[in-house]
Amino acid sequence: DQQVKQNSPSLSVQEGRISILNCDYTNSMFDYFLWYKKYPAEGPTFLISISSIKDKNEDGRFTVFLNKSAKHLSLHIVPSQPGDSAVYFCAASAASRQLTFGSGTQLTVLP
Amino acid sequence: DAGVIQSPRHEVTEMGQEVTLRCKPISGHDYLFWYRQTMMRGLELLIYFNNNVPIDDSGMPEDRFSAKMPNASFSTLKIQPSEPRDSAVYFCASTVWGLRAEAFFGQGTRLTVV
Repeated sequence: DQQVKQNSPSLSVQEGRISILNCDYTNSMFDYFLWYKKYPAEGPTFLISISSIKDKNEDGRFTVFLNKSAKHLSLHIVPSQPGDSAVYFCAASAASRQLTFGSGTQLTVLP
Repeated sequence: DAGVIQSPRHEVTEMGQEVTLRCKPISGHDYLFWYRQTMMRGLELLIYFNNNVPIDDSGMPEDRFSAKMPNASFSTLKIQPSEPRDSAVYFCASTVWGLRAEAFFGQGTRLTVV
């Protein structure tokens, strides 16, 4: 039973346009959500997070939106750059330090 | 700090052999996690430790898998005997209570069992 789902395994976007990566979750106990970015042959690196008491968090080109009623979050990257090409993992936690990850979305930003 | 250090980076072994993966967490971090990444299942949590004590090992797939953390600066994940379906990238990550679940990952060990 996947508690965190990323239904799009891949996404291609033109440079300069917006990238929108989506994530759904089923566990209503999750109270903290994170996005990680992973390049080939490297470990995932933390990108941005949001607490369940907020519905939006912004950091430069990256914005995460949380819709608790729909159990849905999304990551917006504006404008997208070729260096953003990577696998993006959505993750969630419920009080503990344990993170539950989605299966990832491969983002390709085309020059 | 050099970050989370894992060794080896790559491991190729024959089915039935014992495999030991190693991890050195970031100094001062009190949580350590072992994850496995596969194409089918993405990143799965296998086990995690708090202050060197295993807290949740429900993700460990079988008794062939075991993990230890003898001290705050070292952990091992052992597979005995290994099977081809264990082939995956294994990640170690660590964090500290003051950081809200933002774990730091090592570069991973790519395990291939032939």
